[in-house]
Amino acid sequence: DTGVSQDPRHKITKRGQNVTFRCDPISEHNRLYWYRQTLGQGPEFLTYFQNEAQLEKSRLLSDRFSAERPKGSFSTLEIQRTEQGDSAMYLCASSFSRGPGAFFGQGTRLTVV
Amino acid sequence: ELKVEQNPLFLSMQEGKNYTIYCNYSTTSDRLYWYRQDPGKSLESLFVLLSNGAVKQEGRLMASLDTKARLSTLHITAAVHDLSATYFCAVDTSGTYKYIFGTGTRLKVLA
Repeated sequence: DTGVSQDPRHKITKRGQNVTFRCDPISEHNRLYWYRQTLGQGPEFLTYFQNEAQLEKSRLLSDRFSAERPKGSFSTLEIQRTEQGDSAMYLCASSFSRGPGAFFGQGTRLTVV
Repeated sequence: ELKVEQNPLFLSMQEGKNYTIYCNYSTTSDRLYWYRQDPGKSLESLFVLLSNGAVKQEGRLMASLDTKARLSTLHITAAVHDLSATYFCAVDTSGTYKYIFGTGTRLKVLA
């Protein structure tokens, strides 16, 4: 499979727990993005990397959220002390610096109970 | 702040009919993307529009971009049930694929 891969696909956690999601981008792509999508809404940009450098973070990314891309390949998104408002689909996408746009993974659906 | 608005938000149409979805955005951009999303699934790229006057067609869908009017349209010709999905437009103002997505149009095609 040569697409963007995300793991896990679904995560149910109790409020206050930490969770970590993983994204494996398309291997040739140097850019990687995280978005969040709540029910009935369009995705909202959270952050993006070019290679291992995190170039931009949205103000939606509170200090409980941290993202890394340590070797410029896969990325992780960690949410600490989860809250019910964190329940959403977390989408990862990747792209070239120039090209036909970003390609999205299947997403990780987080439910905080 | 860039705003991207789509209308209609919901569209229920009969098979065989034509309809247009509109995407308006509030700031200058010549890069606009259309995506399709099926329930519980991720986003599938449909069209990439990179200049004023760009028109792309794939099957029963045709997308166009008017950067002066800050408007993109997605036209559906002779709708079929398989087109039922949510359609999003997304604007990229910085060339970084940091998209601002529209509100989405939920399309239901009735047999």
